[in-house]
Amino acid sequence: DAGVIQSPRHEVTEMGQEVTLRCKPISGHNSLFWYRQTMMRGLELLIYFNNNVPIDDSGMPEDRFSAKMPNASFSTLKIQPSEPRDSAVYFCASSLMSAGNSPLHFGNGTRLTVT
Amino acid sequence: TQLLEQSPQFLSIQEGENLTVYCNSSSVFSSLQWYRQEPGEGPVLLVTVVTGGEVKKLKRLTFQFGDARKDSSLHITAAQPGDTGLYLCAGALSTNDYKLSFGAGTTVTVRA
Repeated sequence: DAGVIQSPRHEVTEMGQEVTLRCKPISGHNSLFWYRQTMMRGLELLIYFNNNVPIDDSGMPEDRFSAKMPNASFSTLKIQPSEPRDSAVYFCASSLMSAGNSPLHFGNGTRLTVT
Repeated sequence: TQLLEQSPQFLSIQEGENLTVYCNSSSVFSSLQWYRQEPGEGPVLLVTVVTGGEVKKLKRLTFQFGDARKDSSLHITAAQPGDTGLYLCAGALSTNDYKLSFGAGTTVTVRA
């Protein structure tokens, strides 16, 4: 089992540029989550997909953020245009079920730096 | 304001010592999970507790869920450098709740 795979591992970009983060969840998992982690705010849920359908995007900070899940094995998180305050580590996680006691399997994250 | 408060924020101890990390809330949780995160990696699940008063052991790690399901603790006996990492607790308010509330974490450093 390869686990959740995220790419790229690191992204450095200039303010105003478009950034696309990618995620491949564990096969068979029907729930996918995008989180953002910063020192100040810890882990924040950005968006939750169930069976490829966005269920809760209330954590998406602004219209500059968008996420898609075109199929069960791929999801993207896009920031356009990017700003320095978007600098953080972005994690994708998947789980077998959406129930609260189902464990989350995290990828190793994408460290985004916007200058 | 976070639903789960973790303490202490930082903990640095010598190899062989014991340590306890706390996770507290005024809310009642259906279940609570503990994760460990190492630098450059994502959090990895250690344990899930679901019953008030439950105690689970994972080698030198002991997890306890409070009787009222509002708090939890993680105790490490004879800590080793490999225990170094960020320890996160995360709670679900109901079994159907997909939205886990994460604590801010406790950074544990075990010195050799």
